[in-house]
Amino acid sequence: DTGVSQNPRHKITKRGQNVTFRCDPISEHNRLYWYRQTLGQGPEFLTYFQNEAQLEKSRLLSDRFSAERPKGSFSTLEIQRTEQGDSAMYLCASSPRGGGNEQYFGPGTRLTVT
Amino acid sequence: AQSVTQPDIHITVSEGASLELRCNYSYGATPYLFWYVQSPGQGLQLLLKYFSGDTLVQGIKGFEAEFKRSQSSFNLRKPSVHWSDAAEYFCAVGTYTGTASKLTFGTGTRLQVTL
Repeated sequence: DTGVSQNPRHKITKRGQNVTFRCDPISEHNRLYWYRQTLGQGPEFLTYFQNEAQLEKSRLLSDRFSAERPKGSFSTLEIQRTEQGDSAMYLCASSPRGGGNEQYFGPGTRLTVT
Repeated sequence: AQSVTQPDIHITVSEGASLELRCNYSYGATPYLFWYVQSPGQGLQLLLKYFSGDTLVQGIKGFEAEFKRSQSSFNLRKPSVHWSDAAEYFCAVGTYTGTASKLTFGTGTRLQVTL
């Protein structure tokens, strides 16, 4: 068990560019989540996958955001036409099959849009 | 909708002193409750969780939390703080509807430990 991994750890991009982040969950976990955290705030839920199915999307997830989990393993989060307001830490978490809601977080990807 | 309030933005304690971080939640059903810790530039580490049963739960690093339904609270405690405990602490409430699952976090409490 190597934990949840995220790549890249840091991304600096210019406004208007597209960016893609990757998350590799803990191997036996079937649930995967994306959150966004801005400075001085707690993480905010973006979206949730159970296996390859995206079951819930937050209203925070505008049309410029898309997430996939094509084979029920790793996931990608893409932001198109980035804006300065997208600057944040993007956190991925996974949780195991079964009732409990405990989620295990990766180290995050810090996005800076200039 | 569920919500979490952490009334203390910043707390400073001396090393060796006791600690209590406050958390109040709002949720219509029996909540799943969590405390996470975040060191600078890092992701969140789960300290402890409450699902049901004994209202006093033990976690890692010597932390414990007590669920009080009547007060809608889930305060985090530690009897003796170490300098390495300096970090940001987040309380969260989890909702699970069978098809969707997410955590709602408070805004966090930053703990500073003086030597």
